[in-house]
Amino acid sequence: ETGVTQTPRHLVMGMTNKKSLKCEQHLGHNAMYWYKQSAKKPLELMFVYNFKEQTENNSVPSRFSPECPNSSHLFLHLHTLQPEDSALYLCASSQTGAGHTGELFFGEGSRLTVL
Amino acid sequence: AQSVTQPDIHITVSEGASLELRCNYSYGATPYLFWYVQSPGQGLQLLLKYFSGDTLVQGIKGFEAEFKRSQSSFNLRKPSVHWSDAAEYFCAVETSYDKVIFGPGTSLSVIP
Repeated sequence: ETGVTQTPRHLVMGMTNKKSLKCEQHLGHNAMYWYKQSAKKPLELMFVYNFKEQTENNSVPSRFSPECPNSSHLFLHLHTLQPEDSALYLCASSQTGAGHTGELFFGEGSRLTVL
Repeated sequence: AQSVTQPDIHITVSEGASLELRCNYSYGATPYLFWYVQSPGQGLQLLLKYFSGDTLVQGIKGFEAEFKRSQSSFNLRKPSVHWSDAAEYFCAVETSYDKVIFGPGTSLSVIP
């Protein structure tokens, strides 16, 4: 596989469920990101991990819990979500430091619906 | 505060016509600027970027953009639009080495 892969592509969950989104990058990048894309709103940066360390938490509610076990994998754990959390969640990766180009490489997203 | 604005929410052009999508940014230092495109059901793909040097940058799919510091703008252009260009276009600015903020996007429709 190449690029950035996100699973599942679609997820429907109730407000009391616990689920996780997974992202994997095969590009050798050291930074990974979660963005939230809601209808009629700009992409919202949620979390940034650089060399497995969280460098950005953009005031995201605690019902979203990120995990980055290594530079190639990123998870977003979801629990007790609200209907307004329904959105497309995009994962991205990039190379920071040496070899930095600024380009983000995105996965195709996980479409989340909270009932 | 750092921000990116795209004044046009939706634009419709005829196939073969020229296109210009507007982008303005608010950032204190010399910005790194980007244009991304998103097709339905897909992630975002980089069209082009400006880091420094020539203010007119060329990208993929025949797109170009011009950085104008005096106007804090980075408008995207294409001389002749194809039906396959219908998509959502996002302007973005890098505010630190690992943080990129995006504009609200411009939806492009192409009339055959």
